[in-house]
Amino acid sequence: DADVTQTPRNRITKTGKRIMLECSQTKGHDRMYWYRQDPGLGLRLIYYSFDVKDINKGEISDGYSVSRQAQAKFSLSLESAIPNQTALYFCATRPWQGLKGTEAFFGQGTRLTVV
Amino acid sequence: AQTVTQSQPEMSVQEAETVTLSCTYDTSENNYYLFWYKQPPSRQMILVIRQEAYKQQNATENRFSVNFQKAAKSFSLKISDSQLGDTAMYFCAFKNYGGSQGNLIFGKGTKLSVKP
Repeated sequence: DADVTQTPRNRITKTGKRIMLECSQTKGHDRMYWYRQDPGLGLRLIYYSFDVKDINKGEISDGYSVSRQAQAKFSLSLESAIPNQTALYFCATRPWQGLKGTEAFFGQGTRLTVV
Repeated sequence: AQTVTQSQPEMSVQEAETVTLSCTYDTSENNYYLFWYKQPPSRQMILVIRQEAYKQQNATENRFSVNFQKAAKSFSLKISDSQLGDTAMYFCAFKNYGGSQGNLIFGKGTKLSVKP
């Protein structure tokens, strides 16, 4: 089983619908992230969380919200999806262990299409 | 704010040859980390190599090596003996030493095609 699991893997939704992307991890990391990948733009940070009570906006948080239900779970919601939110979404985790807290571990991504 | 620039949107190389992917970054910090991630068609993000800024020695991982030039803020990736499985998007990433600024910042990526 994957250490960082995203569901669903692929999703097509209609404009105006609410949709939730889920992420769970078995690595025991306290830091979790949501990124968005668009062609030619790389990965951009949407939200990040250092623990269940610490949630922070990233570079492109408008139109998104998140929930850290537990240390292992971090969900991303689109309250009212719009076509320009069509993208590949990644969840990532990272430990906080001093110098060891450098590498990020990624889920396999959710391909979201808003029509 | 830190930025990461990959100036080569696409590159191609013949199988068994060597290719170098470029990355430059901008920061006023002295302590940081640099990474190269590979994203094959499966879209999984795979860490290829990392470099700590305080280390002068360039990192190597088998066929992958970096040329880290701290003064020039340059961090290029060299792939030797290219293989068909190296075909992927490659992302350069920067991370500050810690705290709230310690999030990964990615470049826009370079699409590498290895041709038989």
